[in-house]
Amino acid sequence: GDSVTQMEGPVTLSEEAFLTINCTYTATGYPSLFWYVQYPGEGLQLLLKATKADDKGSNKGFEATYRKETTSFHLEKGSVQVSDSAVYFCALSDRNSGNTPLVFGKGTRLSVIA
Amino acid sequence: NAGVTQTPKFQVLKTGQSMTLQCAQDMNHEYMSWYRQDPGMGLRLIHYSVGAGITDQGEVPNGYNVSRSTTEDFPLRLLSAAPSQTSVYFCASSLTGRSSYEQYFGPGTRLTVT
Repeated sequence: GDSVTQMEGPVTLSEEAFLTINCTYTATGYPSLFWYVQYPGEGLQLLLKATKADDKGSNKGFEATYRKETTSFHLEKGSVQVSDSAVYFCALSDRNSGNTPLVFGKGTRLSVIA
Repeated sequence: NAGVTQTPKFQVLKTGQSMTLQCAQDMNHEYMSWYRQDPGMGLRLIHYSVGAGITDQGEVPNGYNVSRSTTEDFPLRLLSAAPSQTSVYFCASSLTGRSSYEQYFGPGTRLTVT
């Protein structure tokens, strides 16, 4: 079945450091890919998405590119801030699966220190 | 526009008790779903619904029941609570089940079963 693998955390960075969180996927069809973010004590909210190969999703300085050849969707940010401290989830939704619930990775906790 | 609301925010149950977690959305979304979030496990799908009167099982449905009598509401029932159901529960909705549509999450219900 479909699955998402993302790098284990926690990740601790200093403010203004470069961030990469790796995400790879397995899907039988042609999925849409998402990054969700969960701030402490809150629900998940969509950070960015991409629906076809070579699409780049971007939001709040974060970027991720849909790479079909490597089945990857790595999250990057050039300069993190303390306010970026959160748990980040990579997810996919496989349009060939009919109704398309999200399949999530296990999440990566990011802590940014001043 | 309140989005997705969940009640209660916190709940403690004794083993064997039953309860209903409430979820409502005011965005006229067809698709609603329930996830549980456990440490190191990411989010796992319990049940989902593609419209009023239609529900289906997700990855971990045992011990839970759902119904969808209206577009707005999607309650999750625990029939006989067990300690293994201690978790944080999230309800989500999206316009349809199509893979490219963003899912909106509620703030979560933290359930402890003793």
